[in-house]
Amino acid sequence: DAGITQSPRHKVTETGTPVTLRCHQTENHRYMYWYRQDPGHGLRLIHYSYGVKDTDKGEVSDGYSVSRSKTEDFLLTLESATSSQTSVYFCAISEWGEANQPQHFGDGTRLSIL
Amino acid sequence: AQKVTQAQTEISVVEKEDVTLDCVYETRDTTYYLFWYKQPPSGELVFLIRRNSFDEQNEISGRYSWNFQKSTSSFNFTITASQVVDSAVYFCALSGLTWNGGNQFYFGTGTSLTVIP
Repeated sequence: DAGITQSPRHKVTETGTPVTLRCHQTENHRYMYWYRQDPGHGLRLIHYSYGVKDTDKGEVSDGYSVSRSKTEDFLLTLESATSSQTSVYFCAISEWGEANQPQHFGDGTRLSIL
Repeated sequence: AQKVTQAQTEISVVEKEDVTLDCVYETRDTTYYLFWYKQPPSGELVFLIRRNSFDEQNEISGRYSWNFQKSTSSFNFTITASQVVDSAVYFCALSGLTWNGGNQFYFGTGTSLTVIP
């Protein structure tokens, strides 16, 4: 199993509060990704990182920001959480950026915003 | 635009039946990669297989087999003699390169398979 740890695994919070999710990897992979999983949508890319301090937006990036200050950690922040951001969030990693690289996923964080 | 369609939302089969999960994709790329992932009830995502666009050979791994047909833009997944442990949500995904490296996955909406004992 890929060494990916997501924390917290579950979180319940209120609308308008800031939330930060953490993804930690022990594989020293360059590329890291944040997805959200929602019924009827599959998984959709929020943001990704192609190196330390190098990040870019995915298809559903509005309302989210990310940071990567070291190789092993990729943080996802909801500055002011909304109920539409209730979802399951997955972090993924890949060693290289080529299209043939499978991504390996963490166990997910279930986030509920009331 | 990249798009993956899994038209079957839910499938139920009786144990030992064969079942095929459909995946249809759209892409303008001439070289691309397709993936299948399994998500069991415990929630993690497990990588099953990767296929590139220039290799149309079918692949078999135990009870699993994959049929890739460029002519119909399909990458279907068959489980032979299904077992209860096969109960999961299965995702098909298409990989596309981003401008700065990194491969963005485009996932289908998933097919929930229930195998009834």
